Amino acid sequence: QLQLQESGPGLVKPLETLSLTCTVSGGSISSAGYHWGWIRQPPGKGLEWIGSVYYSGTTYYNPSLKSRVIISVDTSKNQFSLKLSSVTAADTAVYYCARRDSAAAGYNFDFWGQGTLVTVSS
Amino acid sequence: QTVVTQEPSFSVSPGGTVTLTCGLNSGSVSTSSYPSWHQQSPGQAPRTLIYSTNTRSSGVPDRFSGSILGNKAALTITGAQADDESGYYCLLYVGSGTWVFGGGTKLTVL
Repeated sequence: QLQLQESGPGLVKPLETLSLTCTVSGGSISSAGYHWGWIRQPPGKGLEWIGSVYYSGTTYYNPSLKSRVIISVDTSKNQFSLKLSSVTAADTAVYYCARRDSAAAGYNFDFWGQGTLVTVSS
Repeated sequence: QTVVTQEPSFSVSPGGTVTLTCGLNSGSVSTSSYPSWHQQSPGQAPRTLIYSTNTRSSGVPDRFSGSILGNKAALTITGAQADDESGYYCLLYVGSGTWVFGGGTKLTVL
């Protein structure tokens, strides 16, 4: 069974860079057709799609975050990562990683991590 | 800016039927939007119920169904149960590899 696990600092200072890693187990991040993405949820608010990466390195980003986000993949470690720069309190959220299947399979977001809370505070 | 609209809240009686909708401020939702529906209970990660408009994820009861109604995507729960009380989010593909979530609907079963 595929599992995704987020990891990284739970506290980040304002204007610094938030860095998270999602470790994939039970399957290969290099499997064709799957995109690996990040979604976040501020406390008490809704879900927001941040972006995704393919094992080849192709990325797609939410236009509202694009200037501050980098998502990358490390196939040797079966991991993908999120970097969000110049954070403010508005970036405080639970961050989820998830797998999205191909168009042929209906673009199913079929596996999600449990989420990790990142608080932006001095 | 693309905005995906959902009813903020809805109420249904146990055993009743409820339809939640998901619209686009910039036009119509179609199958090409690949609408999906995600259920989230407090403190839990989202769980995908429906993807590609009307395909149920593995293990999802058949009382959950998805469709396109007019110019919106819809999630219908037939025979609502107490543990269906949860948050429901739709997610749409809006082109160029990007996706947008709706604001979510809080469903109460009472």
